[in-house]
Amino acid sequence: DTAVSQTPKYLVTQMGNDKSIKCEQNLGHDTMYWYKQDSKKFLKIMFSYNNKELIINETVPNRFSPKSPDKAHLNLHINSLELGDSAVYFCASSHLGGPGELFFGEGSRLTVL
Amino acid sequence: AQTVTQSQPEMSVQEAETVTLSCTYDTSESNYYLFWYKQPPSRQMILVIRQEAYKQQNATENRFSVNFQKAAKSFSLKISDSQLGDTAMYFCAFMKGSVLSRLTFGEGTQLTVNP
Repeated sequence: DTAVSQTPKYLVTQMGNDKSIKCEQNLGHDTMYWYKQDSKKFLKIMFSYNNKELIINETVPNRFSPKSPDKAHLNLHINSLELGDSAVYFCASSHLGGPGELFFGEGSRLTVL
Repeated sequence: AQTVTQSQPEMSVQEAETVTLSCTYDTSESNYYLFWYKQPPSRQMILVIRQEAYKQQNATENRFSVNFQKAAKSFSLKISDSQLGDTAMYFCAFMKGSVLSRLTFGEGTQLTVNP
């Protein structure tokens, strides 16, 4: 069983479209994250949720809206996609206040044409 | 804000040899964690090793070990007996030991193990 799973793994779309990436974890963790990995492989946090509550919200355009229906799921919706949104988006989970390591999904590669 | 610096964008090593990847960080925190993650071509982020700042003993995991120098804020990764499967991007990462913390990554080092 995959511990942190993301769908879709690959997404190709046109500028201006709206798309969503879903994430689910079966590790029983209480905290989930979205990270963005750019073309230079740099990883930066976007959002974090703890028990469905937003706890970290980095400087991310309003076009990005995370949603956590329960503590095992964290989805990312992106409106009005731009070329610069092309990246790999990673979902991760952990125990807040725990030993610290994050468990990552396989990433979702988004390409905006 | 915490910063993590990996000064070696690329490194290569011959199979079975030993290689050390460098990482430095900047923080005013006293309680924190340090990590090395590996990202092979499959894209999956895999935890290699973890070090708690309060522990003086360097962490080891089989062929992987760290040299944690807290005063120098240095956290290098040593890979012994390198294997072809070790070819990957390696990321050093920092996390404060507080409730609302996040993982801050370095820029990464691309390691290639040559046969």
